[in-house]
Amino acid sequence: AQSVSQHNHHVILSEAASLELGCNYSYGGTVNLFWYVQYPGQHLQLLLKYFSGDPLVKGIKGFEAEFIKSKFSFNLRKPSVQWSDTAEYFCAVRPYYGNNRLAFGKGNQVVVIP
Amino acid sequence: EAGVAQSPRYKIIEKRQSVAFWCNPISGHATLYWYQQILGQGPKLLIQFQNNGVVDDSQLPKDRFSAERLKGVDSTLKIQPAKLEDSAVYLCASSLARDSPYEQYFGPGTRLTVT
Repeated sequence: AQSVSQHNHHVILSEAASLELGCNYSYGGTVNLFWYVQYPGQHLQLLLKYFSGDPLVKGIKGFEAEFIKSKFSFNLRKPSVQWSDTAEYFCAVRPYYGNNRLAFGKGNQVVVIP
Repeated sequence: EAGVAQSPRYKIIEKRQSVAFWCNPISGHATLYWYQQILGQGPKLLIQFQNNGVVDDSQLPKDRFSAERLKGVDSTLKIQPAKLEDSAVYLCASSLARDSPYEQYFGPGTRLTVT
């Protein structure tokens, strides 16, 4: 079964700082990759996804993520964060074949200080 | 477009009691999922339906959890009897279909506290 690792569970940074959240997965086959975000008091929503093609994908609100197949990684980045980016961020992986089960990491709680 | 609806939003019960959660997916979505999210962890899939059939319930504790999706639309998840470790947020999600490239849309969740 696939597993997803996210490090640095709690991240605190100031507005305008750059953000990078790491995501590594263990699965040998073809995968679909996702980043979900949960703002305070809101439900999980999709931030961006990778299915195929250009390994650098752009999502909503200025976020981007890069798929590096050789490193089994899908790191999320934003060059300049805003207070409104305070949220919990989850990386998720789904095998392209097989059980199609979406496996989530433990999440990163990001707090942006104005 | 209306999103995934869940009720209740919050529930507090004592251990050994039973509880049920309800989910109404996005109209037209064939696939429905129930996840359990324990505090400090990511969501974990409990069960997946394709229309009204179960396609993956391998992570559902079947001795106490059950779920159904009658008529291929709404779904209910039941816990009987509840244990302290069942305290979690129960998320419902839906998607047009199971496979790539269809993404899952999540509801607001039901926060269950077992005392």
